[in-house]
Amino acid sequence: AIQLTQSPSSLSASVGDRVTITCRASQGISSALAWYQQTPGKAPKLLINDASSLESGVPSRFSGSGSGTDFTLTISSLQPEDFATYYCQQFNGYPLTFGGGTKVEIK
Amino acid sequence: EVQLVESGGGVVQPGGSLRLSCAASGFSFDDYAMHWVRQAPGKGLEWVSLISRDGGSTYHADFVKGRFSITRDNSKDSLYLHMGSLRAEDTALYYCVKDIDIWGDSFHVWGQGTLVTVSS
Repeated sequence: AIQLTQSPSSLSASVGDRVTITCRASQGISSALAWYQQTPGKAPKLLINDASSLESGVPSRFSGSGSGTDFTLTISSLQPEDFATYYCQQFNGYPLTFGGGTKVEIK
Repeated sequence: EVQLVESGGGVVQPGGSLRLSCAASGFSFDDYAMHWVRQAPGKGLEWVSLISRDGGSTYHADFVKGRFSITRDNSKDSLYLHMGSLRAEDTALYYCVKDIDIWGDSFHVWGQGTLVTVSS
């Protein structure tokens, strides 16, 4: 199975900060990566597909980049509603797998 | 509006069985692959199973192979997860998820989940 390692596992940041989360795959997955946001008590929400394609309705402060084994999710200016847990997910092969998550907390 | 509503969760003893259901609305159900994804309390996300648009192809995570099966009834816009030989580690919130495409393997729309608790 393809393993995804997210870092950091948690971070503290302030409103307005630029935040970067990384996701490393155990083998090359081309651009077959998605990013999700989950707020407490809610279902996850798809933010980015195909490594860098922003989903409709997702604010432009979110961006994704990378291919192969190394990927990043960037929030250019953190907003109060962005405090959440973020997951990467690969769809290059089965089983489909998720990273362990990155919890973004208020500093 | 796309909606997915899960049901069927509850408390079951180890070794028991349960059938989860998901009622879909707001989109052409038979145009999309569908998935089950689970989340144990306080833990991360785990993909469980996938079924193709016509139900002819299915995939499962290794940890459920031989114990769970996924089916769908396109005439009822419904998805099912048949769970057997349940273990304590299967305790989780189970989400019904619409694929982003015919078969794209990323998770476009999620239900609110149904909680399965395996305990004696």
